[in-house]
Amino acid sequence: DAGVIQSPRHEVTEMGQEVTLRCKPISGHNSLFWYRQTMMRGLELLIYFNNNVPIDDSGMPEDRFSAKMPNASFSTLKIQPSEPRDSAVYFCASSTWTGRYQETQYFGPGTRLLVL
Amino acid sequence: AQKITQTQPGMFVQEKEAVTLDCTYDTSDQSYGLFWYKQPSSGEMIFLIYQGSYDEQNATEGRYSLNFQKARKSANLVISASQLGDSAMYFCAMSNTDKLIFGTGTRLQVFP
Repeated sequence: DAGVIQSPRHEVTEMGQEVTLRCKPISGHNSLFWYRQTMMRGLELLIYFNNNVPIDDSGMPEDRFSAKMPNASFSTLKIQPSEPRDSAVYFCASSTWTGRYQETQYFGPGTRLLVL
Repeated sequence: AQKITQTQPGMFVQEKEAVTLDCTYDTSDQSYGLFWYKQPSSGEMIFLIYQGSYDEQNATEGRYSLNFQKARKSANLVISASQLGDSAMYFCAMSNTDKLIFGTGTRLQVFP
């Protein structure tokens, strides 16, 4: 079975450019999460969706960040304009929300973003 | 407030020995799940093991076992017969709502 798929795996861009990260969750999962990981701040939850609906975006750093989930099999995280401090590994994860608590989250391989 | 605490920033263990990574959690909910993830230097987050709050037996997955002590609110990961490939960051996490809360991680180094 295919796991969570993220693209691109690596992205190098210049400050001010738009960056779009993509995620395909595991088929059948109804929850999707975007995380950011840096040495300084560790693993941070940016936003998550249940049944394609954004539930909590309080972790999104600022208005430069936006996320969408147009259908159950695709999500994007966009940074516009990008800044050097956005350099990090961005993970997408998916799981099943049972209505009681989250079942196991499975992570994608991550996108390593470097903003010059 | 829900919280996960991993008090060991780093641990060392000799190959073939067992090691315990500590994790305590704080929640007032009765229904929750506990998880451990491994993050090797290559960066991916790998799910290792899960324990439900109502599970009476400790979870086991191969060389991994979860020492679940509900009254103490602890969910320690035990790795038996450590291997060099076990060197990685290990994260404990809890779910009692529709998201996971992660600890800060423990870096495990296995030496020959």
